This record gives sequence, C-alpha cells and structure tokens, in this order.
Amino acid sequence: GENVEQHPSTLSVQEGDSAVIKCTYSDSASNYFPWYKQELGKRPQLIIDIRSNVGEKKDQRIAVTLNKTAKHFSLHITETQPEDSAVYFCAASEGSASGGSYIPTFGRGTSLIVHP
Amino acid sequence: EPEVTQTPSHQVTQMGQEVILRCVPISNHLYFYWYRQILGQKVEFLVSFYNNEISEKSEIFDDQFSVERPDGSNFTLKIRSTKLEDSAMYFCASSEAPRTGLYGYTFGSGTRLTVV
Repeated sequence: GENVEQHPSTLSVQEGDSAVIKCTYSDSASNYFPWYKQELGKRPQLIIDIRSNVGEKKDQRIAVTLNKTAKHFSLHITETQPEDSAVYFCAASEGSASGGSYIPTFGRGTSLIVHP
Repeated sequence: EPEVTQTPSHQVTQMGQEVILRCVPISNHLYFYWYRQILGQKVEFLVSFYNNEISEKSEIFDDQFSVERPDGSNFTLKIRSTKLEDSAMYFCASSEAPRTGLYGYTFGSGTRLTVV
C-alpha cells in the first residue's frame, strides 16, 4: 500500500517568512495529492491539491510542487501570517476510474507555528 | 457553504459499552467515509461507503465496527464494545466522487470519543 512521509513534524517561522513542508510517497500509481489544514480542535480542510499531470499549482500565498520522478511533493506558504498556524497534512491517492485505492493516505502532519 | 454535521461533539463512554457516532453528509454527496485521529497523530482511514454498502475498509475497521445509512440523510459508525485505544477524534467525510480525484473530501467537525 501507499506510504506517505512528511517533514518536518514541527516548523516555527517568523511572520512574513516562507514555510515549506515536504512529503514523499511510495506508490508510483498515486496521482492526486491534496493538502489539508487543521486548526486546533477543528476539522481538516482542503486548502490546495495537485494532480500528477501538473508540476506546480499556486493559489495566492500557497503553492504546491510535485516531482513524480522523485515521488515527492511540497507545500510552500509565502508571507506567513499568525493565522496560518495550524497542522498541515499532505495526502496521496490514486484518483483513477480504472481502479486502485482512491482513499488518500495521509502524512503524519506538520505543526506550523507563525510567530508575530 | 454546505457542511458535514456530526453529533455528538464529545462522547465519554465506559470500556465495553457500545457507541454510535452520527453524521449527516452533504446532501448531494454519494460517497461517505469515516476517519479517526488519535490525539496528536495523523488522520487514519477507517471505511468508505457507497450505494448502501462498504466499498473499502482498512485493517483498523475490524468486527467491532459497523456502518449504516439508516435513512436518506444519516450515516452512522457503531463501535460495539469500546476499548481504551478507541479513544480518538472520529471524522466523517463525504464527497461527490472518489475515483476521479476531482474533489477533496469535506470533513465534519468530528466527535471526540473518550473511553474510560
């Protein structure tokens, strides 16, 4: 089955700095990579996703990159703000109609702390 | 914005007792899921449900677990004989379509289950 590794487990930055969270996956058939943000005591919420036919995707201050050859993908947050403080989870799945498990496998999460 | 609703938000139960966790998925979603998150750990898949039957389940989802869609709106997770290690946050999620990976899940706000 798929195995997703996520690093670092904790990331502390100053407001305005950039933050990068990295994930690797094991199953080369995975082709859908969502990122979730979970604020303390709340539900995970999808913030951005990327599919395997795209190398990079950007939405305002957040961006994701994907390297299928190396089987890793990253979340980049620029100009961080205190409200970005949360746990971020990466996930990987094979979102294919042809079969395979479409259930995302989650990474262990990164606790991002943005200091004002 | 449509929401996935879960009740109760917190349940405390004695070891060995049965609990039922309830979820109301988004009305036009067809695929339903249960995940759990042990405190401080990653989100783990339990089971997916479509067309009134389980479509996939993880090794965590053993015989003490069951799911049901008793009517057109509710989706329940039953744990027959709770153990201490069942203490976790249980998230319900729903999606319009799983296999194309077009959509991320919408998670409910979770039920915190504490087994004492």
